[in-house]
Amino acid sequence: NAGVTQTPKFQVLKTGQSMTLQCAQDMNHNSMYWYRQDPGMGLRLIYYSASEGTTDKGEVPNGYNVSRLNKREFSLRLESAAPSQTSVYFCASSEAGWGDTSPTQYFGPGTRLTVL
Amino acid sequence: QKEVEQNSGPLSVPEGAIASLNCTYSDRGSQSFFWYRQYSGKSPELIMSIYSNGDKEDGRFTAQLNKASQYVSLLIRDSQPSDSATYLCAVYYVSGNTGKLIFGQGTTLQVKP
Repeated sequence: NAGVTQTPKFQVLKTGQSMTLQCAQDMNHNSMYWYRQDPGMGLRLIYYSASEGTTDKGEVPNGYNVSRLNKREFSLRLESAAPSQTSVYFCASSEAGWGDTSPTQYFGPGTRLTVL
Repeated sequence: QKEVEQNSGPLSVPEGAIASLNCTYSDRGSQSFFWYRQYSGKSPELIMSIYSNGDKEDGRFTAQLNKASQYVSLLIRDSQPSDSATYLCAVYYVSGNTGKLIFGQGTTLQVKP
């Protein structure tokens, strides 16, 4: 039982390049999330998927797209990377579906992305 | 806009002391509150959740919730150097049929031997 896994662990991009961050969970969770964390700041929600086949914007969605490929996998794509997207990206999952008031989110190890 | 506020610290306490971490939130309708611990370079891990007013104890950790004051705190008794980490307060907001966790910026705790 690996929990939440993310690939890659580290990535360096040049401005304008594109890439996809991969996330998978083996806990049969309904909901999955993508966050970014910048120095001295908490986690900010980029996109989330409350259930398979649905996605919604979070606090900071601009410059990103997501795909909920199936119940296990949720990917985050940067179409044209910018230096402002340099950050640590965390994927998380939880059992909560729609309207649940007590979710526990489990986090992956993170992807450290640098955009030059 | 929903907000969760924490003092970024660092909060420095001697080994064996009580560390007190505080968090305020803006939405009176919030029902679920969480404390995550994050070691440097690692991912956040859940250490406490609280849903009702009052105290909830788990080992050396006590979470306190006061919904009238929109205030949640975490007490760590007998602090150990291994408790040195950033502690993130998170509040669950429900809007319509969906819910989101909003995190504070975190408080860095340093426990000195």
